[in-house]
Amino acid sequence: NAGVTQTPKFRVLKTGQSMTLLCAQDMNHEYMYWYRQDPGMGLRLIHYSVGEGTTAKGEVPDGYNVSRLKKQNFLLGLESAAPSQTSVYFCASSYELGYGYTFGSGTRLTVV
Amino acid sequence: AQKVTQAQTEISVVEKEDVTLDCVYETRDTTYYLFWYKQPPSGELVFLIRRNSFDEQNEISGRYSWNFQKSTSSFNFTITASQVVDSAVYFCALSGAMEYGNKLVFGAGTILRVKS
Repeated sequence: NAGVTQTPKFRVLKTGQSMTLLCAQDMNHEYMYWYRQDPGMGLRLIHYSVGEGTTAKGEVPDGYNVSRLKKQNFLLGLESAAPSQTSVYFCASSYELGYGYTFGSGTRLTVV
Repeated sequence: AQKVTQAQTEISVVEKEDVTLDCVYETRDTTYYLFWYKQPPSGELVFLIRRNSFDEQNEISGRYSWNFQKSTSSFNFTITASQVVDSAVYFCALSGAMEYGNKLVFGAGTILRVKS
């Protein structure tokens, strides 16, 4: 099915552990994004990419790193997880300026 | 800086009532794009509508309608004859033409509860 696929869907981490969230899209979109969703705060942009090999910081980048080695994949890494990173993470992709996003189904991450 | 305000945190209505979700935005761009997304209890984000700043025509799609008013920087969303399946969180979002990377800025969302 065409769209954006996120893995895993759920994960529980202990404080200090590391993990990588994978996002894959098969729509040949140039732009990809990672957002986090917290109650009452909407979606906040963590990092984004405007093409293969590029990454840029969003609104809340601290504690996260990203890589876009292939156009279809956008990885989000947590090097040392903290309880404040407990959230729902959404990946999205976009065709070009002015177009809406196609979102993945989300990853629910709990850091204990 | 761009900003989207959804002042209504939560709205409860009874089925068949009409309901309007408010969205107010701030941007210095003259060309910009506005969006509404729906997030049902299952959690996925569903695209509803996209409107560019040069198109102020109101839009109707079935029971959904959108009122875009540049004079008041608002892009409100009305559901006519609400149904239980409309229960969801609704997000308004904005991207500016001068904003590098087509980044969307989201409002905090409005929780809509439709009771039968």
